[in-house]
Amino acid sequence: EVQLVESGGAKINPGGSLRLSCAASGFAFGNFWMNWVRQAPGKGLEWVGRIGPKVRGGTSDYAAPVKDRFTISRDDSKNMVFLQMNSLKTEDTAVYYCTRAAFGFDPWGQGTLVTVSS
Amino acid sequence: QSVLTQPPSVSGAPGQRVTISCTGSSSNIGARHDVHWYQQLPGTAPKVVIYSDRNRPSGVPDRFSGSKSGTSASLAITGLQAEDEADYYCQSFDDRLSGHVFGTGTKVAVL
Repeated sequence: EVQLVESGGAKINPGGSLRLSCAASGFAFGNFWMNWVRQAPGKGLEWVGRIGPKVRGGTSDYAAPVKDRFTISRDDSKNMVFLQMNSLKTEDTAVYYCTRAAFGFDPWGQGTLVTVSS
Repeated sequence: QSVLTQPPSVSGAPGQRVTISCTGSSSNIGARHDVHWYQQLPGTAPKVVIYSDRNRPSGVPDRFSGSKSGTSASLAITGLQAEDEADYYCQSFDDRLSGHVFGTGTKVAVL
């Protein structure tokens, strides 16, 4: 079964840092673009960023609101993708989903909640 | 602010047909990038119901269909059922932003 499981969400003060993890199973992880998508409480979906396969240079792209603050990385030996979030703002409060780019974004993890508040 | 615009809500009686529009521009849908559609039930992660404009994943009922023309795309649900009540989002890639973009989302209500 193709599965993604996020972890690492927490309540954190503005200006702080947090690292989210996403464990993948059931597919050839190294061959796929992996994405992070977030959803603020009661709001719509917002693409955060992506990282490509190593064969495509492992390049990453980010949405404007998080560029220069967030960094996506991957460890193909452990089938994991990470989202390092620095200089967190209250507007970063959201459920963060990990998802694979394949026939759209499929599958999605269950999400992990990040709350940025003092 | 999303670059893909959807109506905030649509509704229909059981058995009826509803359509959801997704309006983009020349840098995303008009640039011939694939459009995908997601269903999000309350409290759950999104699930793809249409990928690459008009393709249905295994397990998605054939009541769901997608189309695309110019800078817009549409999702149609025929034979509306109570279980279709959810939020729906379109998604594509934007050349100007160099990233993926989601629509504003549409809440489907079954009357």
